[in-house]
Amino acid sequence: SQQGEEDPQALSIQEGENATMNCSYKTSINNLQWYRQNSGRGLVHLILIRSNEREKHSGRLRVTLDTSKKSSSLLITASRAADTASYFCATDETGANNLFFGTGTRLTVIP
Amino acid sequence: DVKVTQSSRYLVKRTGEKVFLECVQDMDHENMFWYRQDPGLGLRLIYFSYDVKMKEKGDIPEGYSVSREKKERFSLILESASTNQTSMYLCASRPVLFGKLFFGSGTQLSVL
Repeated sequence: SQQGEEDPQALSIQEGENATMNCSYKTSINNLQWYRQNSGRGLVHLILIRSNEREKHSGRLRVTLDTSKKSSSLLITASRAADTASYFCATDETGANNLFFGTGTRLTVIP
Repeated sequence: DVKVTQSSRYLVKRTGEKVFLECVQDMDHENMFWYRQDPGLGLRLIYFSYDVKMKEKGDIPEGYSVSREKKERFSLILESASTNQTSMYLCASRPVLFGKLFFGSGTQLSVL
């Protein structure tokens, strides 16, 4: 398995603060994706960054990718209580047709 | 919007039973996946399929089989359920290689 790893495992912040989650992986990738999961539900796709991209934005989300360090970060700015969820990174490996997911970061935003 | 539907939200079965988990997508996607999710272990791939009647093993295929007779439907089969198969099962699909995944709501399976 080429499962990635998220850091930290859990994060608790006040509403309005920024939240940063990190992901490390081991192999050559075509892209890296971030997903969100509300408790007990399916995952929802947030953003995809290709291996030739270094940074990508979507609303309050900013994702960076450093292929030399095999790492990515997800920044959520001006967090809201509704952002409380688990966040997973997933890597689309070169030569494979499936995504490898990390173990996730549990984010709690306190109103 | 793409819809991926899993037939059951919660399921309780007895050890040794044969269990079928059904997944249907409505957007003509080529690729379909079954994951299981356990606390602290994240999502682990059981099987995936890139075309009708085609299947590939994922990381943890033991104790499972799959069926894809029609493009829109991907079934996960537990041949003889065991307690260590108690888990959340997630189905997903995507139209193309290296695209984003669309997930169903998940089936929480308890094997007693």
